[in-house]
Amino acid sequence: GAGVSQSPSNKVTEKGKDVELRCDPISGHTALYWYRQSLGQGLEFLIYFQGNSAPDKSGLPSDRFSAERTGGSVSTLTIQRTQQEDSAVYLCASSWGGETQYFGPGTRLLVL
Amino acid sequence: GQQVMQIPQYQHVQEGEDFTTYCNSSTTLSNIQWYKQRPGGHPVFLIQLVKSGEVKKQKRLTFQFGEAKKNSSLHITATQTTDVGTYFCAGHSNSGYALNFGKGTSLLVTP
Repeated sequence: GAGVSQSPSNKVTEKGKDVELRCDPISGHTALYWYRQSLGQGLEFLIYFQGNSAPDKSGLPSDRFSAERTGGSVSTLTIQRTQQEDSAVYLCASSWGGETQYFGPGTRLLVL
Repeated sequence: GQQVMQIPQYQHVQEGEDFTTYCNSSTTLSNIQWYKQRPGGHPVFLIQLVKSGEVKKQKRLTFQFGEAKKNSSLHITATQTTDVGTYFCAGHSNSGYALNFGKGTSLLVTP
């Protein structure tokens, strides 16, 4: 389909390992967002990419978290030296400019 | 920075009862959006309000944007079990593209 896709859908890792989460936004969408959602909680903003502008990284919780967006399309969220508190659903969304956000299905991360 | 607050955090109603969730921003919003997230799912866009005092309806759902463009509400008439989920409001400030999400109101409807 033409929606936002994320991979993997589920990821189980051991504490201290690095993980990479991928987001494929809707083609043509200039804005891409990463959020984190812990069980039963709201959406925690992590990072925002808009076109070729410098990303808004104000939501990243620590320097273990980083994200890239290559060629204005695919984005990768990297968590280094994972901790148990990193366990959550990581949601990606894309939009045309700042309009309606279309969310992907999320990656469920479990750090043991 | 801009903060978007939602109340209540949780609401449990009997099927057929009405439900309202409120959204308040610390700053004036250029527009406000509402999303619904079903249990186990991802947020799905419901509606966007842009004008001061705007009211929009979608079947049993009524959305309002305050005159000062700092608050909004979602009212569901005669809830059904299919309304179960978490309702998020999200606001655009006048200065940027990033949306600020409220923490959501989780609605439980029992038959």
